[in-house]
Amino acid sequence: KNQVEQSPQSLIILEGKNCTLQCNYTVSPFSNLRWYKQDTGRGPVSLTIMTFSENTKSNGRYTATLDADTKQSSLHITASQLSDSASYICVVGDRGSTLGRLYFGRGTQLTVWP
Amino acid sequence: EADIYQTPRYLVIGTGKKITLECSQTMGHDKMYWYQQDPGMELHLIHYSYGVNSTEKGDLSSESTVSRIRTEHFPLTLESARPSHTSQYLCASLNGQPNNEQFFGPGTRLTVL
Repeated sequence: KNQVEQSPQSLIILEGKNCTLQCNYTVSPFSNLRWYKQDTGRGPVSLTIMTFSENTKSNGRYTATLDADTKQSSLHITASQLSDSASYICVVGDRGSTLGRLYFGRGTQLTVWP
Repeated sequence: EADIYQTPRYLVIGTGKKITLECSQTMGHDKMYWYQQDPGMELHLIHYSYGVNSTEKGDLSSESTVSRIRTEHFPLTLESARPSHTSQYLCASLNGQPNNEQFFGPGTRLTVL
């Protein structure tokens, strides 16, 4: 069964601190892995996309890693800001799907306190 | 920012009403999707379309229906809303190769009383 599991479920950190979010998946065959940021009441916005051959991808203060052998990914946020408070969703694409089917994790709810 | 729009953003209606949630995109994408998301839960695919005149049901059973008469427009209709339909509905479209990235609209928060 194709699944995406994220941890922790929620996280509170102080402004300026770093944090790392985890994602484990069982989707096969694997196409790509994305991290999305979803603000409350909004649609998800893509942060990074990685294919099988990529093991790291950065977007400003966001750095994603991928280990396709262990089927794990992480999202590292550096020097957190109040605006980073959101849900971060790990999404895995199925290479066997012509639909572009995606499997979504439940997200990690990050809260940044001043 | 992606050019995909949803209206209304918020809707509160009574049981039994017919509603249509609008979704439009100006990127010329063929593949479009509707997801349902409850608070703190993952997105569930309820409908998708490969292109004009193509509509399919997704993984999560839904009493809603969709149509795709034009490439840019993918509305979702509930003939008779019930409280169990209360949820957030997200529309998305796919940009194809090389990234196969789905772009999401801002969502419609539906509350059925």
